[in-house]
Amino acid sequence: GDSVTQMEGPVTLSEEAFLTINCTYTATGYPSLFWYVQYPGEGLQLLLKATKADDKGSNKGFEATYRKETTSFHLEKGSVQVSDSAVYFCALSDQGGSEKLVFGKGTKLTVNP
Amino acid sequence: NAGVTQTPKFRVLKTGQSMTLLCAQDMNHEYMYWYRQDPGMGLRLIHYSVGEGTTAKGEVPDGYNVSRLKKQNFLLGLESAAPSQTSVYFCASRQDSNYGYTFGSGTRLTVV
Repeated sequence: GDSVTQMEGPVTLSEEAFLTINCTYTATGYPSLFWYVQYPGEGLQLLLKATKADDKGSNKGFEATYRKETTSFHLEKGSVQVSDSAVYFCALSDQGGSEKLVFGKGTKLTVNP
Repeated sequence: NAGVTQTPKFRVLKTGQSMTLLCAQDMNHEYMYWYRQDPGMGLRLIHYSVGEGTTAKGEVPDGYNVSRLKKQNFLLGLESAAPSQTSVYFCASRQDSNYGYTFGSGTRLTVV
């Protein structure tokens, strides 16, 4: 079945550092890909998405490019802030008609001042 | 504000008790989902619905039942709560594959 693998955390960075969180997927067909963010004590919020190969999703300084050839959707940000501290989830959209999302296990990011 | 509303936000149950978690969305979304989130496990799908009157099992359905009698509501029931069901439960809805989920803020359930 479809699956998502993202890098294990936790990740700890200093403010203004460069962030990469790796995400690779296994799927039949051409799923849509998503990054979600979860701040402490809250639900998940959509951060960005890409619906086809070579699409780049971007939001709040975060970017991810849908790479079909490497089945990857890595999350990047050039300069992280303390307020970016959260758990980040990569997800793909199941193509079997249920429209459900398959999530990675999440990567906890802590940004120190 | 439009979105997904979950009630209650917190609950403590004794082993063997039953309860129902309510999820309501006002976006006219077709698809609704119940997930549980446990440390180190990510989100695991319990049950889902592809439209009013339909339900289907997800990855971890045992011990739970669901109903979707109205399009805007998706109920998750625990018939006889067990400590293994201690978790944070999230409801989500979605219109179609071009959009992501909209999540509720979660229900933190403790079974003692």
